Amino acid sequence: EDQVTQSPEALRLQEGESSSLNCSYTVSGLRGLFWYRQDPGKGPEFLFTLYSAGEEKEKERLKATLTKKESFLHITAPKPEDSATYLCAVQDNTGKLIFGQGTTLQVKP
Amino acid sequence: ETGVTQTPRHLVMGMTNKKSLKCEQHLGHNAMYWYKQSAKKPLELMFVYSLEERVENNSVPSRFSPECPNSSHLFLHLHTLQPEDSALYLCASSQAGRNPKYGYTFGSGTRLTVV
Repeated sequence: EDQVTQSPEALRLQEGESSSLNCSYTVSGLRGLFWYRQDPGKGPEFLFTLYSAGEEKEKERLKATLTKKESFLHITAPKPEDSATYLCAVQDNTGKLIFGQGTTLQVKP
Repeated sequence: ETGVTQTPRHLVMGMTNKKSLKCEQHLGHNAMYWYKQSAKKPLELMFVYSLEERVENNSVPSRFSPECPNSSHLFLHLHTLQPEDSALYLCASSQAGRNPKYGYTFGSGTRLTVV
């Protein structure tokens, strides 16, 4: 059964304190792994797509990496505006998107 | 307007009411989705429409009834809901069949409260 598990469930960081979010997955035929950011009361907003093991993508303070079993979202020197829930999703070979439960990040000034 | 637009943003309804959620996409996509998001749970896929045909119905109770009149519009008709149906309902769209560069594009959601 396709499954996506994110950890930790919640993460509190001081401004400037770098850390990583984990997304472990099992899927039949990975077509892509996606990271989304979701602010309270809003829909998920696309961040990255990763297609194959070894691939990396960067955007400002965020860097996403992918292995055959998991993905990491590295946050370097975070700022309070990075506070949000980060969602990981995998697309299987039928095109279906399976989401993890998310990691809620709080960055304190 | 661009992207995916959902209305209303907030809805409070009684258990005996009938209401509808509306979703409109301006991206030229040919697939649309309804998701339910409850606290501390992963997004739950409810319905999928591809080329205006319903291709998936994930064991959703019959008190939820989707309608897709064309590739740009999607509705979710609600009747005799239960308090546990209170959640954020998200609409999404995608271009089915293409490489998944962006996955799905989501609307801002409708926050539904059943009293």
